[in-house]
Amino acid sequence: GAGVSQSPSNKVTEKGKDVELRCDPISGHTALYWYRQSLGQGLEFLIYFQGNSAPDKSGLPSDRFSAERTGGSVSTLTIQRTQQEDSAVYLCASSLGQVTDTQYFGPGTRLTVL
Amino acid sequence: KQEVTQIPAALSVPEGENLVLNCSFTDSAIYNLQWFRQDPGKGLTSLLLIQSSQREQTSGRLNASLDKSSGRSTLYIAASQPGDSATYLCAVRPTNTGNQFYFGTGTSLTVIP
Repeated sequence: GAGVSQSPSNKVTEKGKDVELRCDPISGHTALYWYRQSLGQGLEFLIYFQGNSAPDKSGLPSDRFSAERTGGSVSTLTIQRTQQEDSAVYLCASSLGQVTDTQYFGPGTRLTVL
Repeated sequence: KQEVTQIPAALSVPEGENLVLNCSFTDSAIYNLQWFRQDPGKGLTSLLLIQSSQREQTSGRLNASLDKSSGRSTLYIAASQPGDSATYLCAVRPTNTGNQFYFGTGTSLTVIP
């Protein structure tokens, strides 16, 4: 079946611009995660959605970052007034929703801020 | 805060060798541990998921073990092949922050034909 998809695959933007990254989770998966992978760094948790519950935003690095999930499916991560340190690969994952379930990752969006 | 360490950072072996990748974590209060592989420019592919009550999981040439009390996991790859070349990541899911995994920085594996 279809896996997690993300768009765009690559995004180049200028410092100060806003960007939107999209994630389509696996159908039926109620949990959705966003992570950031910077060069030479491990994956950093950003935000978690579970069903209709309030999202866990504890990993968002600043108030320039926000995310929403519409209709319990597609999610959009928005970065406002991008900075060069925002350059990274942004990865989305989904799972069935239990803490014992496997996370399935998308291919990621590579963001470059000039 | 949970910290996850992977040793070695890089490993190069000739084709056909058996090898072991190591992962250690500081807090044993976890739901599970998951091993992933990441190919250059790609996302993560799940290899094995070990629940906290389990000691090991096997899939094909891969075997992952978990010693929760000592905070360690190993990924054993038998009869390595050039196609196994990738970065291998381990991640733990703590019970006190169950909404996320904590990842190690990975082991970059090269299998030489």
